Amino acid sequence: NAGVMQNPRHLVRRRGQEARLRCSPMKGHSHVYWYRQLPEEGLKFMVYLQKENIIDESGMPKERFSAEFPKEGPSILRIQQVVRGDSAAYFCASSLASGSHEQYFGPGTRLTVT
Amino acid sequence: AQSVTQLDSQVPVFEEAPVELRCNYSSSVSVYLFWYVQYPNQGLQLLLKYLSGSTLVKGINGFEAEFNKSQTSFHLRKPSVHISDTAEYFCAFLNTDKLIFGTGTRLQVFP
Repeated sequence: NAGVMQNPRHLVRRRGQEARLRCSPMKGHSHVYWYRQLPEEGLKFMVYLQKENIIDESGMPKERFSAEFPKEGPSILRIQQVVRGDSAAYFCASSLASGSHEQYFGPGTRLTVT
Repeated sequence: AQSVTQLDSQVPVFEEAPVELRCNYSSSVSVYLFWYVQYPNQGLQLLLKYLSGSTLVKGINGFEAEFNKSQTSFHLRKPSVHISDTAEYFCAFLNTDKLIFGTGTRLQVFP
């Protein structure tokens, strides 16, 4: 049973470009969470999605960031017009159901903005 | 505001010595508490969790933690560490459906 998969593992973008990060949850999991880890900091919640629905986006920056989890395919975290401050590790987690007490984490995507 | 505080940013220790990584939380509701480990350039792996019941929780790799409601603490312990335990450790609690993390403690085990 494959775990949570994220790709790419490393992504380099120039300022002003777009970054697309993908997350495939564990088999059977329909809940996805995105977290961001800035250098030397802990993880911060960004957004919680179920299939075709955004449940909680209270941690998402108001501009340039968006997330989706379509009926088919992986969840996508999209960052438009990236800036140097977006450089971070972005982790995806999945869970079986709402109220499930365990989230399983992917290996992360390390975004570097030059 | 609900938060998690990890009091030590770094903990150096010699191999086979005991270690305690401290974690305090602030929450006005029932808490579900977790410890995760992050090895270099990897994702997070769950070490252990407290949901209810016995306040002493045993996890993987010989780690255990004790939930102390009166002191609002959930400290992580291991009686004898190995070089391979060198990693970043994060304490977290579940707030509705999202995890609130502490800033992490870097455990460095020396031979």
